[in-house]
Amino acid sequence: AQTVTQSQPEMSVQEAETVTLSCTYDTSENNYYLFWYKQPPSRQMILVIRQEAYKQQNATENRFSVNFQKAAKSFSLKISDSQLGDTAMYFCAFVGIQGAQKLVFGQGTRLTINP
Amino acid sequence: DAGITQSPRHKVTETGTPVTLRCHQTENHRYMYWYRQDPGHGLRLIHYSYGVKDTDKGEVSDGYSVSRSKTEDFLLTLESATSSQTSVYFCAISDLGTGASGLSSYEQYFGPGTRLTVT
Repeated sequence: AQTVTQSQPEMSVQEAETVTLSCTYDTSENNYYLFWYKQPPSRQMILVIRQEAYKQQNATENRFSVNFQKAAKSFSLKISDSQLGDTAMYFCAFVGIQGAQKLVFGQGTRLTINP
Repeated sequence: DAGITQSPRHKVTETGTPVTLRCHQTENHRYMYWYRQDPGHGLRLIHYSYGVKDTDKGEVSDGYSVSRSKTEDFLLTLESATSSQTSVYFCAISDLGTGASGLSSYEQYFGPGTRLTVT
């Protein structure tokens, strides 16, 4: 069974700083997708970025980028020039391409951006 | 935004009463999911559906049942609610390939959540 681990329950940085959230996973599959979801106080789950395992290039979406290390099974999220609106829970998630596309989530990291 | 709604958005009920949560989608997506979110656990899969009348269990299915009689609706039922089922419940959808709304495969899109309190 796949597992996803986020080892940082909480993080706090100053506005405009860069912050990196860690995620590791365990799987025996070779092809899969990884995601970072953001959950602000509104509780809505928002997809931030996704990475396809067969692509070596790290995904980037504006201020958000990932460092995907397939051999190490590591998938960290970097937020550059952090903004107050980035304050949220962040969840790392894994889905294999076999079967019913069931997402496996990490426990989450609560990120606070301070003014 | 993906067309996913959940009802009710908030509910308080007493132990032992039946409760049904509804998820409705307008995207015509094949897969639908029910998760619960609890502090320290992230989101955990309760049940999922891969088509009309086709459902299967997730990792925390005890005490829950589901039904899907139409593509657009996925119901989650707590037959006899317990305090341990106090949680926030999320519905999600996904599909293979790219749908008409532009949603990409393997990504799941979530409803707004239902906060359920069992007293």
